[in-house]
Amino acid sequence: KQEVTQIPAALSVPEGENLVLNCSFTDSAIYNLQWFRQDPGKGLTSLLLIQSSQREQTSGRLNASLDKSSGRSTLYIAASQPGDSATYLCAVTQGGSEKLVFGKGTKLTVNP
Amino acid sequence: GAVVSQHPSRVICKSGTSVKIECRSLDFQATTMFWYRQFPKKSLMLMATSNEGSKATYEQGVEKDKFLINHASLTLSTLTVTSAHPEDSSFYICSAKGSTNEKLFFGSGTQLSVL
Repeated sequence: KQEVTQIPAALSVPEGENLVLNCSFTDSAIYNLQWFRQDPGKGLTSLLLIQSSQREQTSGRLNASLDKSSGRSTLYIAASQPGDSATYLCAVTQGGSEKLVFGKGTKLTVNP
Repeated sequence: GAVVSQHPSRVICKSGTSVKIECRSLDFQATTMFWYRQFPKKSLMLMATSNEGSKATYEQGVEKDKFLINHASLTLSTLTVTSAHPEDSSFYICSAKGSTNEKLFFGSGTQLSVL
């Protein structure tokens, strides 16, 4: 059974700092991995999607890496801003299934 | 980007009543919709997958007679929590995908509180 773990559960940083969020999964036979942002009352927004054959994806100040063999992914946020404050979720899908298996998330607070 | 509208955002009901939650894809045809549930301090967990015009596929441990899912059109799926009890209190969120897009688009979620 696939399990996804995110560390840390919460993180508070000053504005401008670069930071890394971690995600690990127990079964390396994944199809893809996604990072989402969850804002209160606004649902989830997909940030980056990495296919199993890819090593990383970048979008603006965000960079997500994937090491499938070790079951790890990181989300790097550069020059953090207060608007980045949200809960960040990592989720994986496995071949032949559209089911997303989520971690519990990391609650990020960026202080001005 | 694609928009998925979920309604209501919050509902409080008495034990024993039924609650219907709607999920609409506003600018694309959603061939597949998913319903998730999130208990406090827990992960989002998939409840069921529905394809337009066919019966929903439920995950293990989810009662299909209690959580009725209807996906009658390419833009609308509904989840009805029948005879709700306090243990059904949770955050319910839908997601949808079109036939050519691997990305999922999520609704804003519904916080259900059963008294």
